Amino acid sequence: DAGITQSPRYKITETGRQVTLMCHQTWSHSYMFWYRQDLGHGLRLIYYSAAADITDKGEVPDGYVVSRSKTENFPLTLESATRSQTSVYFCASSESATGGGNTIYFGEGSWLTVV
Amino acid sequence: SQKIEQNSEALNIQEGKTATLTCNYTNYSPAYLQWYRQDPGRGPVFLLLIRENEKEKRKERLKVTFDTTLKQSLFHITASQPADSATYLCALRTGRRALTFGSGTRLQVQP
Repeated sequence: DAGITQSPRYKITETGRQVTLMCHQTWSHSYMFWYRQDLGHGLRLIYYSAAADITDKGEVPDGYVVSRSKTENFPLTLESATRSQTSVYFCASSESATGGGNTIYFGEGSWLTVV
Repeated sequence: SQKIEQNSEALNIQEGKTATLTCNYTNYSPAYLQWYRQDPGRGPVFLLLIRENEKEKRKERLKVTFDTTLKQSLFHITASQPADSATYLCALRTGRRALTFGSGTRLQVQP
């Protein structure tokens, strides 16, 4: 039961570089999410996806790009990394829309440092 | 502005006591509220969901209350143990098809 796996778990990159964080889930959940977690801000939604080829912005989407060509994968790309994007990134999935009260299952996180 | 507020200060209690954590929200009328546990270096894990028409929900040593008039949820852990030490997050749907989370309260249970 692999659940959600994120890679890389830890990454150090330089300002201006492009970085892609990978997320893979084995449950065939329709919904997938990317959150970032920073001290003092808690978890903030970056992007989410309701199904393959359907994505939408969350609270803090600027500087990020997502795609969902397959149900099980939801990569997050930082087009030109900035120091303010140093954070812990969590991918998550849900069986259906959270409006029905469905819970979210989180990956273990990707620690990204931009120097 | 819309907010979900949890006490940012850590809660320190003695083993065996009841821990009570608070989640307050403004400007929302959520159909439900969820509580998650997060251990250091790990992703959050779902604990309990309580719906707007439920005043109280229990699961083993956990109890959640939901007061839609006060716009507040209380999360209780009875007979607390050191293994309960973690950060606890509340979450609710705030319009988009995703959950919005509070910043969490860290609980430390002393043996």
